[in-house]
Amino acid sequence: AQTVTQSQPEMSVQEAETVTLSCTYDTSENNYYLFWYKQPPSRQMILVIRQEAYKQQNATENRFSVNFQKAAKSFSLKISDSQLGDTAMYFCAFISRNSGNTPLVFGKGTRLSVIA
Amino acid sequence: GAGVSQSPRYKVAKRGQDVALRCDPISGHVSLFWYQQALGQGPEFLTYFQNEAQLDKSGLPSDRFFAERPEGSVSTLKIQRTQQEDSAVYLCASSLGGLVAFFGQGTRLTVV
Repeated sequence: AQTVTQSQPEMSVQEAETVTLSCTYDTSENNYYLFWYKQPPSRQMILVIRQEAYKQQNATENRFSVNFQKAAKSFSLKISDSQLGDTAMYFCAFISRNSGNTPLVFGKGTRLSVIA
Repeated sequence: GAGVSQSPRYKVAKRGQDVALRCDPISGHVSLFWYQQALGQGPEFLTYFQNEAQLDKSGLPSDRFFAERPEGSVSTLKIQRTQQEDSAVYLCASSLGGLVAFFGQGTRLTVV
């Protein structure tokens, strides 16, 4: 079974600064994807960024980038130029691609507060 | 519709009452997932549909939980004889069968 661990329950960052959220995972599979989802108070999960395990290049989406270390099973999210609208819960998630449509496995989340 | 729609957004049920939670996926999405998110936790998988077929219900916590998607579009998650530990946000997600799942805003169930 896969597990996802987010060791930082809460973090805060000053507006315009950079913050990194940590995520580690455990799997015996080679074919998988990793995601970061954002959940604002509205509760809707919004996809922030995704990484394919077979790609060595780290994914980037505007102010969001990841540091994917496959051997270490680490997948951290860096948010640059933090904005007040980035305040939310952030969830790291894993999905296997070895057995058809499988569900996402989520970590427990990190609550990020961006301070003006 | 433009996104995944869930109703109601909030539901308060007395212990022992039956509840039904509705999910309208994005039109054309064949895959539909239900997740349960307890307070302060990440979502946990409940069940998965491909069109009208329920292919995985391994996450349903007890036989009081039942889900259906009879015509391959709208899905209903039913909880019978609700208990306090059922209090959570119930999230629905749909996808075309690919990787990216689109989530609804969830239904917050409070059992009193």
